[in-house]
Amino acid sequence: QLQLQESGPGLVTPSETLSLTCTVSGASITNTNYFWVWLRQSPGEGLEWIGSVHYSGSTHYNPSLKSRLTISVDTSKNDFSLNLSSVTAADTAVYYCARQVKVAVAGVYYSGLDPWGQGTLVTVSS
Amino acid sequence: DIQMTQSPSSLSASVGDRVTITCRPSQTINTYLNWYQQKPGKAPHLLISAASSLQSGVPSRFSGSGSGTDFTLTISSLHPEDFATYFCQQTYILPWTFGQGTRVEVK
Repeated sequence: QLQLQESGPGLVTPSETLSLTCTVSGASITNTNYFWVWLRQSPGEGLEWIGSVHYSGSTHYNPSLKSRLTISVDTSKNDFSLNLSSVTAADTAVYYCARQVKVAVAGVYYSGLDPWGQGTLVTVSS
Repeated sequence: DIQMTQSPSSLSASVGDRVTITCRPSQTINTYLNWYQQKPGKAPHLLISAASSLQSGVPSRFSGSGSGTDFTLTISSLHPEDFATYFCQQTYILPWTFGQGTRVEVK
């Protein structure tokens, strides 16, 4: 059974870099059919798609975060990572990783996020 | 970015009630619309993709409909385990965006 687990510091100092890793178990991250995704959720901003990565290294980033964001994959460890630089209190949120799947409906492929990790709270504070 | 507007933001209902949640994107998204359920302290869980395609294992009391700029999630008869928050998401164009959520509470 596929499981995703986020890990990383729960507290980050303003202006520093937030670094998280998502470990994938129960399946290979090198499956060509999937992208691997980071999202976050905060009371003020709701759910926000941060970006995604394919094991080939191809990435897609949210333009609102792109200048501060790096998402990478480590196939040897079967995990992928998020680095968000120059953080502020506005980056305080629960961060989730998820698998992007394709669902075929009437010959058309649609994307969805399944499963998700349990989430990890990251607080930006001095 | 496409703005996703859900209504209502919350509703109170009883077990057995029929519940309807609406999601309206700020521009047409064809049927590139997903619905998720989230329970307190847990991650969202994919219920419906492509506006109306039920994911494996999701009870048939859940259904989705719509296209373009008007979508609906319906729970035909509310079960105790259905009290949760529901989100819509568009995957028509990046960045993917979510509705603000609809909280279904016990009446």
